Amino acid sequence: GQQVMQIPQYQHVQEGEDFTTYCNSSTTLSNIQWYKQRPGGHPVFLIQLVKSGEVKKQKRLTFQFGEAKKNSSLHITATQTTDVGTYFCAGRGAQKLVFGQGTRLTINP
Amino acid sequence: DADVTQTPRNRITKTGKRIMLECSQTKGHDRMYWYRQDPGLGLQLIYYSFDVKDINKGEISDGYSVSRQAQAKFSLSLESAIPNQTALYFCATSETSGGNTGELFFGEGSRLTVL
Repeated sequence: GQQVMQIPQYQHVQEGEDFTTYCNSSTTLSNIQWYKQRPGGHPVFLIQLVKSGEVKKQKRLTFQFGEAKKNSSLHITATQTTDVGTYFCAGRGAQKLVFGQGTRLTINP
Repeated sequence: DADVTQTPRNRITKTGKRIMLECSQTKGHDRMYWYRQDPGLGLQLIYYSFDVKDINKGEISDGYSVSRQAQAKFSLSLESAIPNQTALYFCATSETSGGNTGELFFGEGSRLTVL
């Protein structure tokens, strides 16, 4: 069945450093969503990408959807302590939305 | 008040007990979901419902059952809880948009511990 792999599982950075998490699907996706879960909180929707090669930005966050629609990435420029949390991708294949394992980001202030 | 409300927020129970987690929403969405979160495994879909008369199994439905009592209410039951069902459970809702599911709105979560 459809699988979505996300790496790395953990990432620790110094405040001000950049951060990237990658998502790879075993099948072509119709769209991909990204969520952020703060420690002790619930996942909150960040963005959805639909088009091949799409790039979207939200302030310091840049989201990309691969040309083949099988991979995606989230890049945070100059991390801040408010970026702490777990970032999940969720890829939609034929029918269902499948979540990646998440990347837990911790930041040293 | 939260748009997606889960009760209880925390529950400790013993092996073999029946447990029900409840979810209610005020967003008016047709689609409701139950997810389980374990460390390092992300969010796994247990059951989902696209309307009151529609119930579908997700990736890990064994040992669980659900009931969609109304558009706004979707409950998850563990008929006989076992320790490996210890996890954080999330209810979520979404709108229907051209046949594709839009963004998911999650409840605050229900932390279940089975001893």
